[in-house]
Amino acid sequence: GDSVTQMEGPVTLSEEAFLTINCTYTATGYPSLFWYVQYPGEGLQLLLKATKADDKGSNKGFEATYRKETTSFHLEKGSVQVSDSAVYFCALSDRGGSYIPTFGRGTSLIVHP
Amino acid sequence: EAGVTQFPSHSVIEKGQTVTLRCDPISGHDNLYWYRRVMGKEIKFLLHFVKESKQDESGMPNNRFLAERTGGTYSTLKVQPAELEDSGVYFCASSQGWDRGANNEQFFGPGTRLTVL
Repeated sequence: GDSVTQMEGPVTLSEEAFLTINCTYTATGYPSLFWYVQYPGEGLQLLLKATKADDKGSNKGFEATYRKETTSFHLEKGSVQVSDSAVYFCALSDRGGSYIPTFGRGTSLIVHP
Repeated sequence: EAGVTQFPSHSVIEKGQTVTLRCDPISGHDNLYWYRRVMGKEIKFLLHFVKESKQDESGMPNNRFLAERTGGTYSTLKVQPAELEDSGVYFCASSQGWDRGANNEQFFGPGTRLTVL
């Protein structure tokens, strides 16, 4: 079945550092890919998405590119802020069926001043 | 517009007891979903309501879990009797649509953290 693998955390960075959180996927179909973020005390929020190969999703300075050849969707940000501290979940959904996401395990990001 | 709300935010119970979690979706959203995240693992789908009907309950782990959505508004998820492995964070989400059409984005609540001792 479909699955998502993302790097284990926590990832600890200083403010203004470059961020990469790796995500790879396995899917039988041609899925849509997502990054969700959960800030402390809040629900998951959709951060960005990409629906086809080579698409780049972007939001709030974060970017991720749908790489079909490497089955990856790595999350990047050039300069993180303390307010980016959260748990990040990579996910996919099968376009052929219902849009129930398959999630990865989540990666905790801690940004220090 | 209010988001998805869940109650309680935390619950600590003993093995064998019963717990009921509640989810209030965004007003007007016919679709309601329950998910669970066991410590450090993936968020797993439990079930999906369309209005008051169960569209997909393939993720429900066993018959100790009972979900209802009377009147197609709020939903409850009851665990009876609770076991240690039921500990985790239970998320609820809602959406307007659910298939290939528009408006299928799911909006998540903050979750209920359940601890079974």
